[in-house]
Amino acid sequence: DSGVTQTPKHLITATGQRVTLRCSPRSGDLSVYWYQQSLDQGLQFLIQYYNGEERAKGNILERFSAQQFPDLHSELNLSSLELGDSALYFCASSPSLDTGELFFGEGSRLTVL
Amino acid sequence: DAKTTQPPSMDCAEGRAANLPCNHSTISGNEYVYWYRQIHSQGPQYIIHGLKNNETNEMASLIITEDRKSSTLILPHATLRDTAVYYCIVRVLNSGNTPLVFGKGTRLSVIA
Repeated sequence: DSGVTQTPKHLITATGQRVTLRCSPRSGDLSVYWYQQSLDQGLQFLIQYYNGEERAKGNILERFSAQQFPDLHSELNLSSLELGDSALYFCASSPSLDTGELFFGEGSRLTVL
Repeated sequence: DAKTTQPPSMDCAEGRAANLPCNHSTISGNEYVYWYRQIHSQGPQYIIHGLKNNETNEMASLIITEDRKSSTLILPHATLRDTAVYYCIVRVLNSGNTPLVFGKGTRLSVIA
């Protein structure tokens, strides 16, 4: 158990819909990362927050957005869903910006039908 | 960040040492080598990292060549539960805005 909690674990929805994935980092961790893993793309970095502020952005689609709240939990919002958005979405946390030791949650599996 | 090259797959007999190679010939002086693994659709798990000295922890050992252009992750006594995809990543340590970039990794199959 990494201490990172992601909900929901599984989500099935239809094209065009909007979903929100939630991540609670390990206690005391200030940095949160979101990754997407689909079968053909591997693990892709989406976005990083540190203490509520966006710090790095990867290949995150404009239809996707995220935020980190004052209590440090984070949400990833996916809208206008397409079939290709079906993937595992992982959240990770770390205590600081400098470390490369990330703690990953078990992921949220999104299926878009 | 420098790129890494890993074999796509490897087999290892249960109880034997698993030696996973990684080539990072363009690594910079301030870049560390990190290893993660991912067991079938679970979240990736940090294993170990190092700069230039060999490192060991309860999970594995990391051997980095003197020129730092390659490294080997060693699982001393592989078990079936070590079957996973292993990722070798290089990253500047104090670079808060540089996320970990995962490649395709090596799929290790531990065989009974």
